[in-house]
Amino acid sequence: GAVVSQHPSWVICKSGTSVKIECRSLDFQATTMFWYRQFPKQSLMLMATSNEGSKATYEQGVEKDKFLINHASLTLSTLTVTSAHPEDSSFYICSAKHTGKNTDTQYFGPGTRLTVL
Amino acid sequence: TQLLEQSPQFLSIQEGENLTVYCNSSSVFSSLQWYRQEPGEGPVLLVTVVTGGEVKKLKRLTFQFGDARKDSSLHITAAQPGDTGLYLCAGGSDLLSSGGSNYKLTFGKGTLLTVNP
Repeated sequence: GAVVSQHPSWVICKSGTSVKIECRSLDFQATTMFWYRQFPKQSLMLMATSNEGSKATYEQGVEKDKFLINHASLTLSTLTVTSAHPEDSSFYICSAKHTGKNTDTQYFGPGTRLTVL
Repeated sequence: TQLLEQSPQFLSIQEGENLTVYCNSSSVFSSLQWYRQEPGEGPVLLVTVVTGGEVKKLKRLTFQFGDARKDSSLHITAAQPGDTGLYLCAGGSDLLSSGGSNYKLTFGKGTLLTVNP
């Protein structure tokens, strides 16, 4: 149980285009989902907290107009990287907090590798 | 801002050796999670500890949460090449903000473990 999927697993795009990444909790409901960014051999950096039915909460230094987050249902959150540039190339990982469990545990997706040319 | 200091950052050992990874903070966490991550994949949860002084064992892995819930350790006995990976500790906290609850995980920088055959 507690499986989180991401789509796509990798994407290559041209500079200036927008890319949407989906995060789904497959067998549980997740009121809260999180988006992280990770550079090679480094830890995860929290970008934003996504709450179902409300606006996302962004971490300091993360541009909310560039990284659009939508959490329209209890099982789906999307991250759209708008007007992507090469410096946006990274490994993006989402996680979901199980609504039905009184625990801090987050379940992570497999990640999406974004390469901007 | 909560910080979680993880050490060592890199560890290369021979098969059969024991090792310990530490996570320390000046902040109190409601829980502490340990994850293991393979290259190109999302973190996989190993354990969650929530009670000060708690010890959990998972085969050759032993996890401990400090009495004051500010620190944790991961001990691996008789390491095997299959244990190679990035180990991440993460502290859970619920920071009350003006908008209500602001739960998040604070990640350590990770320990890149290589177990040589």
